[in-house]
Amino acid sequence: DAGVIQSPRHEVTEMGQEVTLRCKPISGHNSLFWYRQTMMRGLELLIYFNNNVPIDDSGMPEDRFSAKMPNASFSTLKIQPSEPRDSAVYFCASSLNQAGYEQYFGPGTRLTVT
Amino acid sequence: GIQVEQSPPDLILQEGANSTLRCNFSDSVNNLQWFHQNPWGQLINLFYIPSGTKQNGRLSATTVATERYSLLYISSSQTTDSGVYFCAVETTDSWGKFQFGAGTQVVVTP
Repeated sequence: DAGVIQSPRHEVTEMGQEVTLRCKPISGHNSLFWYRQTMMRGLELLIYFNNNVPIDDSGMPEDRFSAKMPNASFSTLKIQPSEPRDSAVYFCASSLNQAGYEQYFGPGTRLTVT
Repeated sequence: GIQVEQSPPDLILQEGANSTLRCNFSDSVNNLQWFHQNPWGQLINLFYIPSGTKQNGRLSATTVATERYSLLYISSSQTTDSGVYFCAVETTDSWGKFQFGAGTQVVVTP
């Protein structure tokens, strides 16, 4: 079975550019989570969806960040405009449902903003 | 919000040694997972263990929910066990939201 798929695996971009990260959850999973990992803050939840609907976006750092889930098999996290402090590893995870279920993580996207 | 503390922060082991990693949390939880982040950055599920004891090969875990802690045991450690071990918890008040601990960095030397 395919796990959570993320693309690209690595992204290098210049400050001010738009960045789009993509995620395909495990088939049959109803919940999708976006996390960010940095040395300073560790792993933190940015936003999560249940049945394609955003449930909690309180972890989204600022308006430059947006996330969508147009269907059950695809989600995007967009940063516009990007800044050097956005450099981090972004993980997508999915679970059967939003609470009390095991979460499975994708391989992550390493973003570098110069 | 809930506080999650992992100890020790760092651990150096000789191959073949056993070790115990601890995760303390400050509130009741309805979900707890242990992850291993390998040197390539992948987060690998080890255990889904909101309560009780589970074993998987050389690894086992125990969560005592009433006392708000979980333990991860590594026996006969191998160099492939190196990496960072994270505990993540979810409470009924933080429905769907995992809070991760800071992790335990484990280095297993040959």
